[in-house]
Amino acid sequence: QVQLVQSGAEVKKPGASVKVSCKASGYSFTSHDVNWVRQAPGQGLEWMGWMNPNSGDTLYARKFQGRVTMTRNTSITTAYMEVRSLRSEDTALYFCARGNHDFDSWGQGTLVTVSS
Amino acid sequence: DIVMTQSPDSLAVSLGERATINCKSSQSVFSNSNNQNYLAWYQQKPGQPPKLLLYWASTRESGVPDRFSGSGSGTDFTLTINSLQAEDVAVYYCQQYHSSPPGHTFGQGTKLEIK
Repeated sequence: QVQLVQSGAEVKKPGASVKVSCKASGYSFTSHDVNWVRQAPGQGLEWMGWMNPNSGDTLYARKFQGRVTMTRNTSITTAYMEVRSLRSEDTALYFCARGNHDFDSWGQGTLVTVSS
Repeated sequence: DIVMTQSPDSLAVSLGERATINCKSSQSVFSNSNNQNYLAWYQQKPGQPPKLLLYWASTRESGVPDRFSGSGSGTDFTLTINSLQAEDVAVYYCQQYHSSPPGHTFGQGTKLEIK
């Protein structure tokens, strides 16, 4: 079955960077976009961007351009998202999700806490 | 950027009754190329990732009970839950995909509770 398994929780200081991984299994990794969505505590869902695992092409939401990078390693069917210059407002649960239009499979989420 | 606005922000419905959630897009999400609306609905329960319920505005994802239905086109959409069950308590989100400008946007969410 389709599975997306994310890396564990992270605690970072303001100004640092974090890199979250998303290991895909149960389907052809290069056939579906990987999206990243975040959810601040008690808040709604915020789409951050997507990556085409086949070509490596990316599209970032305007808010995150210049501060977020999405990459992948096709040999281990893993997608990555790095966020730089972290601030307290980046404290959130970060999800990877599979899909080109709608998101039919989601990772379990990775909690990133930014605190001094 | 496209803005998705859901209403209401929260609602309480009695067991067995109908719940209706609305979603309005700031511009059309209808695609002339395939005659589909790029609109999906998700259910999120506490401590869980969102779950896809409907895509193309009205097509149920595999395994989703048929008490969940979607309607609408262009800019106005509705999620209807018939015969509300206790396990339907959750936050529901609409989401659009648009090609120009490209990207995805979620509504702010609607919290559904039992009255």
